[in-house]
Parts: sequence; C-alpha cells; structure tokens
Amino acid sequence: DTEVTQTPKHLVMGMTNKKSLKCEQHMGHRAMYWYKQKAKKPPELMFVYSYEKLSINESVPSRFSPECPNSSLLNLHLHALQPEDSALYLCASSQDAAGWRTEAFFGQGTRLTVV
Amino acid sequence: DAKTTQPNSMESNEEEPVHLPCNHSTISGTDYIHWYRQLPSQGPEYVIHGLTSNVNNRMASLAIAEDRKSSTLILHRATLRDAAVYYCILRDYRDKIIFGKGTRLHILP
Repeated sequence: DTEVTQTPKHLVMGMTNKKSLKCEQHMGHRAMYWYKQKAKKPPELMFVYSYEKLSINESVPSRFSPECPNSSLLNLHLHALQPEDSALYLCASSQDAAGWRTEAFFGQGTRLTVV
Repeated sequence: DAKTTQPNSMESNEEEPVHLPCNHSTISGTDYIHWYRQLPSQGPEYVIHGLTSNVNNRMASLAIAEDRKSSTLILHRATLRDAAVYYCILRDYRDKIIFGKGTRLHILP
C-alpha cells in the first residue's frame, strides 16, 4: 500500500467553525508533512512531523493546529479561518529521518472553502 | 534553502522525447535532486531522484551535470497524460520539501 489518504476530499466551513483534516498512511513512514496550495501556485510547506514530533513550523498562523496522534495519522485542526485560507491542503509522507534520500508520497488533498 | 530555476513552460509533441532543465547552482554536496509532477486536480507525484549519478526508472531518466549545478529530467516518449507541472526540488537533511514555481509541460497531439 503506497497511498496517502486524505479525508474529507472537500470541505466548506464558516469562519466561526472548527473542523479537522485527516491524513493517513500505512507505509511505516516516520516523516509527515502538511502543505497549502492556492490555485496556479506551487505547494507551500506548513508543518513537518518527524517521529510524531513537530520538527518544522513554517510560521503558520495559530488558527492552524497540527497533531500527530500516532505514526500513521496526521491531523490538521482548523479554527476561526479566513476566506483567504481557502485552498487545497496536501499531506505527504516519506520514509524516516533520512527521508530526503527517498521519495515522498502525496495525498490527493482536501479542497477547503471558507465562507 | 538552496534554490532551483526552471522555465515557466515548455511544449512538446506527443511521442517525442522531452528534456526538462533545472538549474541549482547553490546546491550543496549532500542535497538530493528530486523531481515531482502534479497533474491537474491531483496531488504531486514522485518522478525520480538522484545525488550524483544519472538515474533511470520506468517513468523517466535524470541526467545530472558533473558539477551538479544543473540537471535534466528526460521523458523518453511523451504522452498526453504527461501534461503536468514538473517540479525540480533539492532535499537536504532538514527534510523540507520546498517547491519552486515548476515547469508547466504542454503536450501537443
């Protein structure tokens, strides 16, 4: 199984809502990533988890809160978002701490619309 | 983070080879060169990666310059399904996969 599964595929939320995005992989990968992608732009790195610990936060606003409950699962909790946060949110995983020497696998993303 | 430079867009005819260039003049000795592509409405997909030597896999070949300041992704026989944005990325021990603007590849039937 070489898949990274993201749920839901689409999400519409109000600015006062709280919602969560979920990402799952069963490849035994120990590095997991969240990206944000606006239309016609490249993905932008948000967070990196290594061995279930947050290793990189690219100065992301606190209304985005990542969580890694176990080695297979990565969540992104959303609260008080703005319409400009509407984007495709991508999750990725790669092998381990030396993951830069191996391929990364990406999910199909969650298309988020904030109204 | 070391930067990569790619042409904004390229065109190729179907069933012909495609050479996608990437410049990375500030590459360090331990940076790996990765290529990913993103088809419309999909997440990025791994294509190939290498360190110093040329690499081949079922999807493509990667030619790395001797000084490692540039590389070329080679699609041997382009099909319409290869139309995508191709990203050349340098990955290092910090494991930040940073995307540049990429090259939008158009395939002409």
